[in-house]
Amino acid sequence: GAGVSQTPSNKVTEKGKYVELRCDPISGHTALYWYRQSLGQGPEFLIYFQGTGAADDSGLPNDRFFAVRPEGSVSTLKIQRTERGDSAVYLCASSSGLAGGHEQFFGPGTRLTVL
Amino acid sequence: AQSVAQPEDQVNVAEGNPLTVKCTYSVSGNPYLFWYVQYPNRGLQFLLKYITGDNLVKGSYGFEAEFNKSQTSFHLKKPSALVSDSALYFCAVRDHNTDKLIFGTGTRLQVFP
Repeated sequence: GAGVSQTPSNKVTEKGKYVELRCDPISGHTALYWYRQSLGQGPEFLIYFQGTGAADDSGLPNDRFFAVRPEGSVSTLKIQRTERGDSAVYLCASSSGLAGGHEQFFGPGTRLTVL
Repeated sequence: AQSVAQPEDQVNVAEGNPLTVKCTYSVSGNPYLFWYVQYPNRGLQFLLKYITGDNLVKGSYGFEAEFNKSQTSFHLKKPSALVSDSALYFCAVRDHNTDKLIFGTGTRLQVFP
């Protein structure tokens, strides 16, 4: 079946603009995660959804970042008043949602560049 | 706090030779450990995991990893490297309090013909 998909694959924006990044998880996966990967670093956790609710948003760097998952499937990561430091690859992952040993399946990422 | 460390930024190995990519962890309680591989301009691909049971875990593409509790290590291994194995490898541990993965900084594997 289809894997995790993310759109757009690349996004270039200007400092101060608003952006939305979309994630389509694997069908039937109840858990959805957002990570951010800066150049030369490992992915860093942003937020985790179990169904429609954010179970853990402790990784969001500040209140300019927000994510939703209104129907428990597709999720949108929203960044307001973008800054150059927000430039990174934003990765989405999904899993079957049971806590513990289930692996997360990652999408190809959205490369965000803030000029 | 839980963490993983990958002490090598890069590992170079000749094709056909065995390879090892190192990972050590720090967790409270039993660790859930994972290895992922990242090819250029692509997302992370799951290789293998240790949850419980046998210390030697076998995964995709001929990779395996050995869980060593006394040394708090989870090194990735392959008996015979291929040029196509050249990529960025990440070790990760699942946080017990949430479900998030905590990743190491990655090790670039370069396999030379």
